[in-house]
Amino acid sequence: QVQLAESGGGVVQPGGSLRLSCAASGFRFSEYPMHWVRQAPGKGPEWVALISYDGSTKHYADSVKGQFTISRDNSKNTLSLQMDSLRTDDTAVYYCARDREVGATVAYYFDHWGQGTLVTVSS
Amino acid sequence: DIQMTQSPSSLSASVGARVTITCQASEHINDYLNWYQQKPGKAPKLLIYSASNLETGVSSRFSGRGSGTHFTFTISSLQPEDVATYYCQQFDIIPPTFGQGTKLDIK
Repeated sequence: QVQLAESGGGVVQPGGSLRLSCAASGFRFSEYPMHWVRQAPGKGPEWVALISYDGSTKHYADSVKGQFTISRDNSKNTLSLQMDSLRTDDTAVYYCARDREVGATVAYYFDHWGQGTLVTVSS
Repeated sequence: DIQMTQSPSSLSASVGARVTITCQASEHINDYLNWYQQKPGKAPKLLIYSASNLETGVSSRFSGRGSGTHFTFTISSLQPEDVATYYCQQFDIIPPTFGQGTKLDIK
């Protein structure tokens, strides 16, 4: 079955950096667009970033553009999110999520999610 | 960005009751609207896609309808395992956006 497992969360000071990873299994990872979605405490989810199935296309929410970088390694079935210049309002649980569609089409909705990893930005 | 407004923000109902949640989009989004269920400490789970289509394996007591800017999500007969927060999400216009959630519990 589809499994997504995030890691790399933790506590970081404002201005610091963190790199999240998501290990995928149970499906053909290289065929699917993938996303990062975050959820601040007590809030609804917020889409963060998309990467196409082959890594050639990346889109970001305006709130993280120029600050976060999404990447993938299809040989290792791994999705990553490099987060720089972190701010207190980046505090959230970060989920990796699989797109509904396969290949070049992107649905921008999410049929499988990981369990999430908590990022806390605090001095 | 398209704003998604859910009502009510919280809801308490009896086991067996019919429950309806509303989601209003700030712009016309055709039927590009999904519903997710999130239980405490867990990731959201897709229940309904494209306004009215039941995701595989999801109980038929869940249903959705609507188009344009006004959407509804209904549980036909509330069960204890349905205690959760429910979110709508539009995927017509990028970035995809979620409602603020409706927290549902048992009376």
